[in-house]
Amino acid sequence: SYKLTQPPSVSVSPGQTASITCSGDEVGKRYVCWYQQKSGQSPRLVMYQDTSRPSGIPERFSATNSGDTATLTISGILPMDEADYYCQAWDTNTVIFGGGTKLSVL
Amino acid sequence: QVTLRESGPALVKPTQTLTLTCTYSGFSFTETAMCVSWIRQPPGKALEWLALVDWDDDKFYNTSLASRLTIYKATSQVVLRMTNMDPMDTATYYCARGYASGSYPLDYWGPGTLVTVSS
Repeated sequence: SYKLTQPPSVSVSPGQTASITCSGDEVGKRYVCWYQQKSGQSPRLVMYQDTSRPSGIPERFSATNSGDTATLTISGILPMDEADYYCQAWDTNTVIFGGGTKLSVL
Repeated sequence: QVTLRESGPALVKPTQTLTLTCTYSGFSFTETAMCVSWIRQPPGKALEWLALVDWDDDKFYNTSLASRLTIYKATSQVVLRMTNMDPMDTATYYCARGYASGSYPLDYWGPGTLVTVSS
C-alpha cells in the first residue's frame, strides 16, 4: 500500500523558515494536502491540491510537490505555528496520511 | 456555517461493536463531490483514516480495517460501525467533511470523541 513518510520532528527559531517534507513514490503525480494540529485540537487544513491555501490561512504558508517529495514551507515562524503537521494524499480509493511532523519553535 | 459533531459511547468492552454518529449541518450531501470521512488518532499517535462515504453513496474503507467497518448516511448524519473492538482501538475518533477530488482534502472537522476500549 502507498506510504507517505515525514520526519518526526523539525525545530526552528522564531522568524526563521521551516520546511516539512513528505516523501512518497512519485508523490508529485498526486495531489497532496497538509493539516496543522495544535495540542488538544482537531486538525486544520492549511494547504490542499498541492499549493492552494484555504481561506484564513496566512501567506506565510506555502507548498510544493514534485518528484518523490512534497514540502510545506512556513516562513516568518511564529510561536503559534508550533504544532504537529500531517501530509495527506489519495491513493487507490483510500485516504493516506503521513506519520506527522512535530514542529517546535525554539 | 459548516459544523460536524461526533457522538457515541466513551467506553466499550473488548469484542463489542462501536457505533459512532457524525451529525453535520451547513452543507448538503447532494452537492457533487461532497464526502464525509472518519479518522481516528490513538493517544500521542498519528492520524489514521478509516472510511469515507461520498455524495453518490460510494463507500471506501481503510484496507487493513475494512472487514470490521461499515459507513452509511442517514438524514444529516453519517454513521460508522466498527466490530470486534480491541484495546488497540482506543483513540479519539473524528469525522470530517471533504471533497472527493484531487487529494480528497478534509476542510471541516468535528471536535472528536474519545473512545476507550477496556473491560
